[in-house]
Amino acid sequence: DSGVTQTPKHLITATGQRVTLRCSPRSGDLSVYWYQQSLDQGLQFLIQYYNGEERAKGNILERFSAQQFPDLHSELNLSSLELGDSALYFCASSVEGTSGELTDTQYFGPGTRLTVL
Amino acid sequence: GDSVTQMEGPVTLSEEAFLTINCTYTATGYPSLFWYVQYPGEGLQLLLKATKADDKGSNKGFEATYRKETTSFHLEKGSVQVSDSAVYFCALSDSGGGADGLTFGKGTHLIIQP
Repeated sequence: DSGVTQTPKHLITATGQRVTLRCSPRSGDLSVYWYQQSLDQGLQFLIQYYNGEERAKGNILERFSAQQFPDLHSELNLSSLELGDSALYFCASSVEGTSGELTDTQYFGPGTRLTVL
Repeated sequence: GDSVTQMEGPVTLSEEAFLTINCTYTATGYPSLFWYVQYPGEGLQLLLKATKADDKGSNKGFEATYRKETTSFHLEKGSVQVSDSAVYFCALSDSGGGADGLTFGKGTHLIIQP
């Protein structure tokens, strides 16, 4: 158990709909990352938040957005869903170093499996 | 941009065999390198890491050495067990300080037969 939690575990929805995925980082971790894992694209970095602010963007579609709240949990919002958005979505958090700097070791949650029908 | 290339498999071995999973990378800076493992139905678990050239990461009998001259980070284990069956991902972080996502290889599916 990495200490990163994600809900829900499974989500089934229809094309055109909007969903929200939730992530709680490890206790004390300020940074949250979102990844998408699909059969054709593999594991891709979507976006990173650090202490409430967006820090880095990867291959995130404009239909997708994220935010990190004051209690450090994060939500990934996926809208106008398409069949191709069906995937596993992982959240990860990273450990803060002793002097406050981020380290590059990320700890992953169990994922949310999204199925778009 | 950064990229990671690894053998995709599946790789099928008998118990107690020697394992090597090749991983090579392309990066603009001086990346940190990682191996993650994903067991069926679970998330990714960090297996080992190395942050600079010639560093060796090791954990649970697995090891990998950061080779800058060949831009490689091959995963090895001397004697595999059935419980090692999983998907293994090689990854890099090129941010030098933890900001930015990981770049992953496509994963290698390892099957260990008794």
